[in-house]
Amino acid sequence: AQSVTQLDSQVPVFEEAPVELRCNYSSSVSVYLFWYVQYPNQGLQLLLKYLSGSTLVKGINGFEAEFNKSQTSFHLRKPSVHISDTAEYFCAVSVSGGYNKLIFGAGTRLAVHP
Amino acid sequence: DGGITQSPKYLFRKEGQNVTLSCEQNLNHDAMYWYRQDPGQGLRLIYYSQIVNDFQKGDIAEGYSVSREKKESFPLTVTSAQKNPTAFYLCASSISPYLTGDSNQPQHFGDGTRLSIL
Repeated sequence: AQSVTQLDSQVPVFEEAPVELRCNYSSSVSVYLFWYVQYPNQGLQLLLKYLSGSTLVKGINGFEAEFNKSQTSFHLRKPSVHISDTAEYFCAVSVSGGYNKLIFGAGTRLAVHP
Repeated sequence: DGGITQSPKYLFRKEGQNVTLSCEQNLNHDAMYWYRQDPGQGLRLIYYSQIVNDFQKGDIAEGYSVSREKKESFPLTVTSAQKNPTAFYLCASSISPYLTGDSNQPQHFGDGTRLSIL
């Protein structure tokens, strides 16, 4: 079975500072990895995904993530955050080539302060 | 504009009452999903449907029921057997029930329904 651990439940950061949201996964088979963002009282929006190929994945809104197979990690980064990045961020995993079923982490609340 | 519509946005349930949450998509997606979101727990899969007239239980199906009579619709009923129904419910869909390296986007989400107990 697969599982996802988001190591920080909350991350406070000042505007224009860099940020990293950490995600580790557990799986005995190859996986696909995803980061979603959720703004208050809304659904989830896909930020980026790793399916195969380059381990550095670029997404929307200036976010990027790096897949590290040896450390089973998929950390999300942004070099300079804005107030509008304040939201909850979810890491998710799915078995590659399998059913389209996502296993989500518990989420990380990013709070950007002026 | 294509997307997923969930209604109502807010819903209140009385004790012993069944309530039905609506989910409609006009994306022509084959697969649809229902998730429950509780604070600090992420999203948990309730039911999913790979194709019309077919659905499977997810991780927390007890106290819930679904139907898939039309491709575009996947309503969720929260029955009186669900003793702790207060949560945010999210519906999602995907082009295919399978996720391959060619998949453009895994799952597309609606804006959710917040269910509370009166």
